[in-house]
Amino acid sequence: DGGITQSPKYLFRKEGQNVTLSCEQNLNHDAMYWYRQDPGQGLRLIYYSQIVNDFQKGDIAEGYSVSREKKESFPLTVTSAQKNPTAFYLCASKERGDTGELFFGEGSRLTVL
Amino acid sequence: AQKVTQAQTEISVVEKEDVTLDCVYETRDTTYYLFWYKQPPSGELVFLIRRNSFDEQNEISGRYSWNFQKSTSSFNFTITASQVVDSAVYFCALSEPFLSGGYNKLIFGAGTRLAVHP
Repeated sequence: DGGITQSPKYLFRKEGQNVTLSCEQNLNHDAMYWYRQDPGQGLRLIYYSQIVNDFQKGDIAEGYSVSREKKESFPLTVTSAQKNPTAFYLCASKERGDTGELFFGEGSRLTVL
Repeated sequence: AQKVTQAQTEISVVEKEDVTLDCVYETRDTTYYLFWYKQPPSGELVFLIRRNSFDEQNEISGRYSWNFQKSTSSFNFTITASQVVDSAVYFCALSEPFLSGGYNKLIFGAGTRLAVHP
């Protein structure tokens, strides 16, 4: 079945450590996105990528980094520079030139201890 | 700037009641898209509907219906005869204009948590 796989589902991190969240899609979508979800604030865009080897900052990119070396993969690294990293992270993808919907993964919940 | 407001943080109803979730948006664009997503406890956002700015016809899909009114910049969502399985967080979203390459990104509201009790 086609879809988006995020891992790990739950992750605990000590302050000062970097952590990488995985996002893999087999939908053959060109565009991929990372959103952060906090209680009462909806979803905010961290980074997006329209094509391999290219990505742009979203609204809250500070303290995060991404790479897009393969079409199907768009990992997100939460660095120690991110001041409040505890959140629910959602990856999404979309077809090129399509005004249609985003397809989402099931999310990764990061807790900083 | 574009913005989506979902003023209802939480709604609680008893099964079989009708419930309306409100969504108000702000945009300067003449062409835009509006969306509703459902987020069940599993966490994944599930697409419900997309509406473009030139189509103000209301839409009905089973127990779900949507009322789009450009005059009031609203895109409200009604669930008729609610069921326990409807319990979830519901998000309204607005698309920004196309970026280079033909893609757009979505601006989400804060979400409304709906609890349907037996």
